Amino acid sequence: GAVVSQHPSWVICKSGTSVKIECRSLDFQATTMFWYRQFPKQSLMLMATSNEGSKATYEQGVEKDKFLINHASLTLSTLTVTSAHPEDSSFYICSPRGGLGYGYTFGSGTRLTVV
Amino acid sequence: AQTVTQSQPEMSVQEAETVTLSCTYDTSESDYYLFWYKQPPSRQMILVIRQEAYKQQNATENRFSVNFQKAAKSFSLKISDSQLGDAAMYFCASSIIQGAQKLVFGQGTRLTINP
Repeated sequence: GAVVSQHPSWVICKSGTSVKIECRSLDFQATTMFWYRQFPKQSLMLMATSNEGSKATYEQGVEKDKFLINHASLTLSTLTVTSAHPEDSSFYICSPRGGLGYGYTFGSGTRLTVV
Repeated sequence: AQTVTQSQPEMSVQEAETVTLSCTYDTSESDYYLFWYKQPPSRQMILVIRQEAYKQQNATENRFSVNFQKAAKSFSLKISDSQLGDAAMYFCASSIIQGAQKLVFGQGTRLTINP
């Protein structure tokens, strides 16, 4: 499967500040990147789908102005949580869309804590 | 719309025994994939096994096998000879081949292995 690098692994930020999470596909060109959010003891929920060179598609209920996604190259997609609040504290995971038949791989995730 | 349901929030098994995790899904599409993912305490998502809907033969990967009942829309995971390292959250997921090929996850089952 694809090799995915996600950084940072964990971050603590103050309420009102912004945090950027990077996801890199290391061994193939990812035209599409999925971004998930996972609250404690819950499942993964798709937040948005980013496409290289175009605007991201957000799932219902996800604020696009709060969760800014940039997919400027085939190897890098970023998620910026703007004006973070404690309720944004969660585990964020990226996953590049590769061959569905092989199953997707996932980044190692970013634990965001907003204080 | 796709839905995936895991009705067992928690399961436990004795080491070396066999355990079966349940999953049901719903889709109106005829071409789709089904997956089981494992999420250990590190929270890294790991692909366990995949099944193509048009293949009648159940997928197997070493100690892991599935019972795919297409008409019943059931996709259970059997773990044989359970090992301590199998302890994790297990998520069932589906994706249709058409469109964005997004994964839809079930709620998860926490598997405990008793030594």
